[in-house]
Amino acid sequence: EVQLVESGGGLVQPGGSLRLSCAASAFTFSRYWMNWVRQAPGKGLEWVASIKEDGSEKYYVDSVKGRITISRDNAKNSVYLQMNSLRAEDTAVYYCARARTDYADYIYFDYWGQGTLVTVSS
Amino acid sequence: DIQMTQSPSSLSASVGDRVTITCRASQDIRNFLAWLQQKPGQAPKSLIYDVSSLHSGVPSNFSGSGSGTDFTLTISSLQPEDFATYYCQQYKSFPLTFGGGTKVEIQ
Repeated sequence: EVQLVESGGGLVQPGGSLRLSCAASAFTFSRYWMNWVRQAPGKGLEWVASIKEDGSEKYYVDSVKGRITISRDNAKNSVYLQMNSLRAEDTAVYYCARARTDYADYIYFDYWGQGTLVTVSS
Repeated sequence: DIQMTQSPSSLSASVGDRVTITCRASQDIRNFLAWLQQKPGQAPKSLIYDVSSLHSGVPSNFSGSGSGTDFTLTISSLQPEDFATYYCQQYKSFPLTFGGGTKVEIQ
């Protein structure tokens, strides 16, 4: 059974940093795009970042560009989200999600982790 | 960026009802449209991709239709476990974007 387990969330002060991890199992990790999606308290879903199977392409929502970096280690079946210069508006549950592609690089989510809460507050 | 607009934002229905949720894209997204379900306190669950293809294990009372800019999620006979919030999402281009959600509540 596909599993995605996030870790690394917590309370951080504005301007601080945090590194989220997502450990994947029960599938060939290196064959899938991986993604982070967040949800602020009481709000809807917001895509944050995506990384291609081999890490050669990365995409970000504008609001995090220059502050957040997605990376992956295919040998460790893990994807990461390095978050710097955190702001109150980054407070959210961060979900790791696997994505499939049937053709070209049109990716759609299929499996999700349970999420990890990041709270940015002084 | 492609904006996704869902309607209604919430609805009340009874078990056994047929429920329809609509989603409109701000530009043509061809068939790159997904639907997700989220229950309170839980992670999202992917239901449908490519407008109408069901993910493995998704009950057949869920169906999707549409093309271009206008899409529909239909629950043919609402079950107790279907009370949740539903999101549409486009993957025609980055940034990937979601609709605002439709909360389906018990009448």
